[in-house]
Amino acid sequence: NAGVMQNPRHLVRRRGQEARLRCSPMKGHSHVYWYRQLPEEGLKFMVYLQKENIIDESGMPKERFSAEFPKEGPSILRIQQVVRGDSAAYFCASSPVWTEKNTEAFFGQGTRLTVV
Amino acid sequence: GESVGLHLPTLSVQEGDNSIINCAYSNSASDYFIWYKQESGKGPQFIIDIRSNMDKRQGQRVTVLLNKTVKHLSLQIAATQPGDSAVYFCAENWASMDSNYQLIWGAGTKLIIKP
Repeated sequence: NAGVMQNPRHLVRRRGQEARLRCSPMKGHSHVYWYRQLPEEGLKFMVYLQKENIIDESGMPKERFSAEFPKEGPSILRIQQVVRGDSAAYFCASSPVWTEKNTEAFFGQGTRLTVV
Repeated sequence: GESVGLHLPTLSVQEGDNSIINCAYSNSASDYFIWYKQESGKGPQFIIDIRSNMDKRQGQRVTVLLNKTVKHLSLQIAATQPGDSAVYFCAENWASMDSNYQLIWGAGTKLIIKP
């Protein structure tokens, strides 16, 4: 049973380009969460998705950032017109259900985005 | 802003000794608190959690203590091993007004196990 798969592991983009980060949740998991992590800092919540629905995007910047989790295929975090400040590690986590009784989300290895 | 914070950014412990990592939180409404371990270049890994109606929970070599009076959480690791070297994050599970749950993370404590 493969864990949460993120790709690419490392991504380098020039300023103004688009970055696409992919996350395949664990088998049977329909809840996906994206987090951003700067060096030496904790994870910052960005967005929570279920299949074909955005449930909570309160942590995601209103401009340039978007996320989707289609019926088929991985969840995509898309950053348009990247800037240097977007450089960070982006982690995806998945869970079968997210209630107060299930707090153990499984994390992927992350995508490290570098904007040059 | 963040409601969870850590007292010590780096902690060095002799191999075999016990370690204690501390965390302060400010949201009294949080239902759960969770400790994660993150090794270099990897994603966070769940260690242990504790519900707000408990004050202690034990796992394998780890114990989490919750003091709701002073809003303090700690992670105790017994008989530390080299593999325990990592950054440890506390996080609180928080339900927003529309009942969606989020994890609010602290900044992390780097634990270094000295041989």
